[in-house]
Amino acid sequence: DAGITQSPRHKVTETGTPVTLRCHQTENHRYMYWYRQDPGHGLRLIHYSYGVKDTDKGEVSDGYSVSRSKTEDFLLTLESATSSQTSVYFCAISEEWERPRQGDHGYTFGSGTRLTVV
Amino acid sequence: KQEVTQIPAALSVPEGENLVLNCSFTDSAIYNLQWFRQDPGKGLTSLLLIQSSQREQTSGRLNASLDKSSGRSTLYIAASQPGDSATYLCAVRPLIYNQGGKLIFGQGTELSVKP
Repeated sequence: DAGITQSPRHKVTETGTPVTLRCHQTENHRYMYWYRQDPGHGLRLIHYSYGVKDTDKGEVSDGYSVSRSKTEDFLLTLESATSSQTSVYFCAISEEWERPRQGDHGYTFGSGTRLTVV
Repeated sequence: KQEVTQIPAALSVPEGENLVLNCSFTDSAIYNLQWFRQDPGKGLTSLLLIQSSQREQTSGRLNASLDKSSGRSTLYIAASQPGDSATYLCAVRPLIYNQGGKLIFGQGTELSVKP
């Protein structure tokens, strides 16, 4: 998707190993998010960031950590991967104003990272 | 707590038919509502964004409406085509300023348009 890229696109890793997924944006948006998508659960928020070094937990944050040292990059780390973390991971970006306004494109999502933990 | 529901979960129609996808939400305090399309194995593509003050948005054969008071949105697809086959997701952004929006998604409607 234009302005937001995720890497890697696919990854297979072993249980117990650390894994880092990267999200990079060129839109200079303040907000960045990590979601996971699983059959039967839909999209669930893992962590989000509202600025450089400002992050907070989402609804399924256990086992995950994030870092944002630059506006354009948001990293998701699985500290010790487990089979339950096999999923498709999506990064998203957005802006926000005090009131909704014209020109707001809402959320823009990356193409996803398919992670398999064996 | 905001909850988003999409009905039906799956829909199969013949090519050329006009169709409506439904989305309902429990809390009318929303910043905006966004419709996405997701093809199998792919990411989410934004289709339409409706701000809380708007009633509808149109893009080509797509028209989305919003009725905040009743907690409903519809996505109307005119003259459906096989290429419209995908999962359609509705997502609501709560009206809590300066907390990053945090979209709340419905489970989606899987649409199949038969030639």
